[in-house]
Formats: sequence, structure tokens, C-alpha cells
Amino acid sequence: GENVEQHPSTLSVQEGDSAVIKCTYSDSASNYFPWYKQELGKGPQLIIDIRSNVGEKKDQRIAVTLNKTAKHFSLHITETQPEDSAVYFCASDTGRRALTFGSGTRLQVQP
Amino acid sequence: DAGVIQSPRHEVTEMGQEVTLRCKPISGHDYLFWYRQTMMRGLELLIYFNNNVPIDDSGMPEDRFSAKMPNASFSTLKIQPSEPRDSAVYFCASSLQGQPQHFGDGTRLSIL
Repeated sequence: GENVEQHPSTLSVQEGDSAVIKCTYSDSASNYFPWYKQELGKGPQLIIDIRSNVGEKKDQRIAVTLNKTAKHFSLHITETQPEDSAVYFCASDTGRRALTFGSGTRLQVQP
Repeated sequence: DAGVIQSPRHEVTEMGQEVTLRCKPISGHDYLFWYRQTMMRGLELLIYFNNNVPIDDSGMPEDRFSAKMPNASFSTLKIQPSEPRDSAVYFCASSLQGQPQHFGDGTRLSIL
């Protein structure tokens, strides 16, 4: 089955700096890659997603890049703010509708 | 808009008891998913439904777990009998065909 690896497990940055989280997937049939943000006591919330026919997508301070050949995708957050502190999960979908999640990255933005 | 609603938010019960978790998906969504989150295994899919029909239950850990979706606006996940290793946060999510999944805020389950 699909396997998604996510790095790093923790990331600490200064407010205003950029943060990058990387994921790799194993199944070449995967065609949809969402990113979720989870705050304490809450469910995962979708922040951005990308489909396999697109190499990059941007939404304000957040961007996602996808390299299908290398089977990896990354989340980029620019001008980080304290409210960006949370756990971030990448995921992949082979089209079966079942998401396989990475292990999560705890991001801390220091004021 | 009302999101995915799960109840209860917290459940503490003794080993051997039956536990029922409930989920109300977003109105109009035709897919419903149950996930479990633990420190050791992360977020893992248990089962999902399409138009109230179970499609993939390969993630259900064992026969003690069962899930039903009697109508488009309600689903249950039942554990009978419960064991301490079932302690986790259980999430329900829903979506439309080809659209992102929206998660509820989960049920934190503790089995003593």
C-alpha cells in the first residue's frame, strides 16, 4: 500500500522566517496531495492541496510544490506568524478516496 | 455553515464496556470517513462510506469494531467490548466526490 514519509518531525523558526516541510510518497498512482493543519484539541483543517497535473500552487503565504518524478511534495510557509504554530500533516490519495497521512510536523514560530 | 459534528467530544469508560461514537457529516456530502489518531500510529483510516454504503473497511482493527451509516446524515462507530489499546482520538470526515475531506473535531476516547 501507499507509504508517506514526512520530515522534519519538529521545526522551530523565528517569526517572519520561512518554513519548509517535505513529504515523499511511494505509490506512483497517487494523484492528489492535501496538506492539513491541526491545532490542539481540533480536527485537521485543509490549508492547501495540489493535484498531480500541477507542479506548484500558491495561496497567499502558503505554497505547495510537487515533483512527480521524484515522488515528493513540499509545503512552504513564508513570513511565518505565531498563529502558524500547529502540527502539519501531508497526505496522498491514489484515487481510492482513502488518504494516507504522513507522521506530522510540529511547527513552532517564536515571536 | 455547520461542519462535521461529532459526539461525544470526550468519553471515558471501563474496559469491556460498549462505546458508540457518533458523526453528522456536512449536509450534501456523499462520502464519510472514520479515522483514528494515536501517537504511535498517527492518523489512520478505519473505514469509509459512499452514499451510505461501506466501501473499504480494511483499516478496521478487528471484529470488535463496527461502523454503520443508516442514512446520509448520521454514522456510528461502535467498539464492543472496548480495550485500553483502543484509547485514541477518533475523527470523522466527509466530502463530496473529488473534493477535499473536511474533518470534525474528534472524540477523545479513554478506556480504563
